[in-house]
Amino acid sequence: SQQGEEDPQALSIQEGENATMNCSYKTSINNLQWYRQNSGRGLVHLILIRSNEREKHSGRLRVTLDTSKKSSSLLITASRAADTASYFCATVRSNDYKLSFGAGTTVTVRA
Amino acid sequence: EAQVTQNPRYLITVTGKKLTVTCSQNMNHEYMSWYRQDPGLGLRQIYYSMNVEVTDKGDVPEGYKVSRKEKRNFPLILESPSPNQTSLYFCASSFIREVVNEQFFGPGTRLTVL
Repeated sequence: SQQGEEDPQALSIQEGENATMNCSYKTSINNLQWYRQNSGRGLVHLILIRSNEREKHSGRLRVTLDTSKKSSSLLITASRAADTASYFCATVRSNDYKLSFGAGTTVTVRA
Repeated sequence: EAQVTQNPRYLITVTGKKLTVTCSQNMNHEYMSWYRQDPGLGLRQIYYSMNVEVTDKGDVPEGYKVSRKEKRNFPLILESPSPNQTSLYFCASSFIREVVNEQFFGPGTRLTVL
């Protein structure tokens, strides 16, 4: 079963704007990971946040984690056309070694 | 170059004809995993392996087999493929440092079962 659910399913923004997407999950986790996928290619890891962390930054990416609400958000600041992709969250549960991915958010950045 | 390779990249086959998709990584990762990706469903884990000779079912293992005889290789076997196994398949690997860390993905194998 899918652990993570992304919201929204699709997002269209103008170049230079910020893009925010959310991920909700159901069970206790050890860490949560965000990935990017360009058009049917392999996924690329963006950032990993552990359950005892609340916020993490990497370049133009900012990830937050609220374990009390079982949710995470990914913010891409100052978006570029190259950010056009699908973004997935994946959770690693506390009691096993499975990864569960959500259905993803498709982001389109218009020039 | 650190990478995960999959072969073949594209495969069209017929129902019932056994096939194997190979996966190999050169990063000495303990953890390897297979996923299938279907429109609207994201990625679903088929099988994973924590190390040589250790494999476990993911969320959708039915109709698939795996083996981990060597650390670098993790082949996916479809003994009797059916049309509902038409999908985009990804292999991935990672280190385990107490828990599963960031996954490195292969380029994908697009499988069509007629």
